[in-house]
Amino acid sequence: DGGITQSPKYLFRKEGQNVTLSCEQNLNHDAMYWYRQDPGQGLRLIYYSQIVNDFQKGDIAEGYSVSREKKESFPLTVTSAQKNPTAFYLCASSTSTSGRETQYFGPGTRLLVL
Amino acid sequence: EDQVTQSPEALRLQEGESSSLNCSYTVSGLRGLFWYRQDPGKGPEFLFTLYSAGEEKEKERLKATLTKKESFLHITAPKPEDSATYLCAVQPSGTYKYIFGTGTRLKVLA
Repeated sequence: DGGITQSPKYLFRKEGQNVTLSCEQNLNHDAMYWYRQDPGQGLRLIYYSQIVNDFQKGDIAEGYSVSREKKESFPLTVTSAQKNPTAFYLCASSTSTSGRETQYFGPGTRLLVL
Repeated sequence: EDQVTQSPEALRLQEGESSSLNCSYTVSGLRGLFWYRQDPGKGPEFLFTLYSAGEEKEKERLKATLTKKESFLHITAPKPEDSATYLCAVQPSGTYKYIFGTGTRLKVLA
């Protein structure tokens, strides 16, 4: 089955610790995205990548880092500089057909601070 | 500034009671408008993409429409399993970013 997988489903972070959230897709999509979702707020863009080895900051990139070494993988690291990391993190990917794109989402990772 | 506003924030319907959800947007140019359904603790599930004013898409009890300023998601004779949060997003022209609204929480009572 084609799709987007995120792991783990739940992640616990201790103060001062960096943690990495995994996102893998087998849809052969070029673009990948990371969003953060907080209660009562819309999805906020953290980082996005259109092609391998290239990525751009979104609206709330501070305290986060990413890499895009392979087309199918786009891991997100939540660093100790992110002071309020508790949230639901969503990875997405999109395809472009005739210039029209549709974005698909993974199941999400919930990050909690101990 | 590009913006998406969804209303109402929450909606309770009796089973079979049809209604509409609204998504108003302000963008310099529209590349696409997207509707998603999100169940608690899960990722958004894609429903529809609309590209130009006047376009309509249907899927089971759902129908999405688009004008130059807003989109509606019409729900006909809803069932309890339609209960979810419905998200609207726009992709402005000339960008790969998507801008999301805060969603409408729909509860359908049996």
